[in-house]
Amino acid sequence: QQQVKQSPQSLIVQKGGISIINCAYENTAFDYFPWYQQFPGKGPALLIAIRPDVSEKKEGRFTISFNKSAKQFSLHIMDSQPGDSATYFCAARRSNYQLIWGAGTKLIIKP
Amino acid sequence: DGGITQSPKYLFRKEGQNVTLSCEQNLNHDAMYWYRQDPGQGLRLIYYSQIVNDFQKGDIAEGYSVSREKKESFPLTVTSAQKNPTAFYLCASSAGDRSNQPQHFGDGTRLSIL
Repeated sequence: QQQVKQSPQSLIVQKGGISIINCAYENTAFDYFPWYQQFPGKGPALLIAIRPDVSEKKEGRFTISFNKSAKQFSLHIMDSQPGDSATYFCAARRSNYQLIWGAGTKLIIKP
Repeated sequence: DGGITQSPKYLFRKEGQNVTLSCEQNLNHDAMYWYRQDPGQGLRLIYYSQIVNDFQKGDIAEGYSVSREKKESFPLTVTSAQKNPTAFYLCASSAGDRSNQPQHFGDGTRLSIL
């Protein structure tokens, strides 16, 4: 299976709250899992990434949690701010080094 | 500033017409990619190139063509054979295909049918 399933499709969070976006995959050969952030009319930009031999990676307010046995990984945004409002994509890298992308989550942070 | 420039930002295609989307990078990256983005879907790979004068088909190459004559340039042609070309097209580059170097994206070209 080459798919990466991302949920939810959209998410509304109050300012200061925690935003959580989940992804699941089937292919155990995926070896690198990045998250990208995209603002309207712009290309995606790398936010944070993790390898499957690590269970958690934190960069500022952004944390990836990785569960290798469940084949799931998630993005947590702590203290969510209006400037975090964007579409977030998870991805997974397959054996030919190409990325398979989730469908995206539109995040809205309400002030 | 180093980056990826895509042009034009908006493009309209008539029936039976081929159109070419430009992608230029000054990051000295070896690998370049073309993706298609449709609403509610993730990015889908059209073509990619690891080195000059070499490129490979991605998952949805039918109706598209590319060339890689220069390291910094990777133009995409949407041919008349692509029956549903309306989409947001994104070009990306990375320092190396076989590495953890991130893909850097341009700001896209939105293609519509007249």
